[in-house]
Amino acid sequence: GNSVTQMEGPVTLSEEAFLTINCTYTATGYPSLFWYVQYPGEGLQLLLKATKADDKGSNKGFEATYRKETTSFHLEKGSVQVSDSAVYFCALSGDSNYQLIWGAGTKLIIKP
Amino acid sequence: DAEITQSPRHKITETGRQVTLACHQTWNHNNMFWYRQDLGHGLRLIHYSYGVQDTNKGEVSDGYSVSRSNTEDLPLTLESAASSQTSVYFCATRPETNTEAFFGQGTRLTVV
Repeated sequence: GNSVTQMEGPVTLSEEAFLTINCTYTATGYPSLFWYVQYPGEGLQLLLKATKADDKGSNKGFEATYRKETTSFHLEKGSVQVSDSAVYFCALSGDSNYQLIWGAGTKLIIKP
Repeated sequence: DAEITQSPRHKITETGRQVTLACHQTWNHNNMFWYRQDLGHGLRLIHYSYGVQDTNKGEVSDGYSVSRSNTEDLPLTLESAASSQTSVYFCATRPETNTEAFFGQGTRLTVV
């Protein structure tokens, strides 16, 4: 079945550091891929998405590229800020399924 | 603006009591989901519905039930609350297979 694996946290970085959070997936067909962010005490909100191979999603300085050859969708940001501290979830949706398959989440802590 | 609202935001209940968590959306989306979020487990699907009168079990449905009498609401009922059901519960909607899911703010439930 479909599955998502993302790197365990917490990830602790200094402000202005480069960020990578790894996400790999297993799926049949042509899934859509998502990154969600959850700030403390809040619900999840979409950060970015990609719906086909080689698509790059981007938002708020974050980027992720849908790599079918490596079944990956790694999240990157060139210079993180304290306000980026949150939990980040990678998710997958099959091409004929309304359900989302979730990674375990990665807590990101940015120190000033 | 369309939105998804969960109530209550916080609840403390006693073991053995029946509890209902409300979820109301104004997007008119057919697809609605209930998740629980626990440390170390990420998001786990409890129940979901693809339309009025349709309900389906997710991976952790034991002890929970839902009903869908209209498009806007998907209440989650804990038949007899247990301490293992202490968690944060999120309701979500999703219009199509390649679109994002929209989340409520969550309900923090404590069973004592």
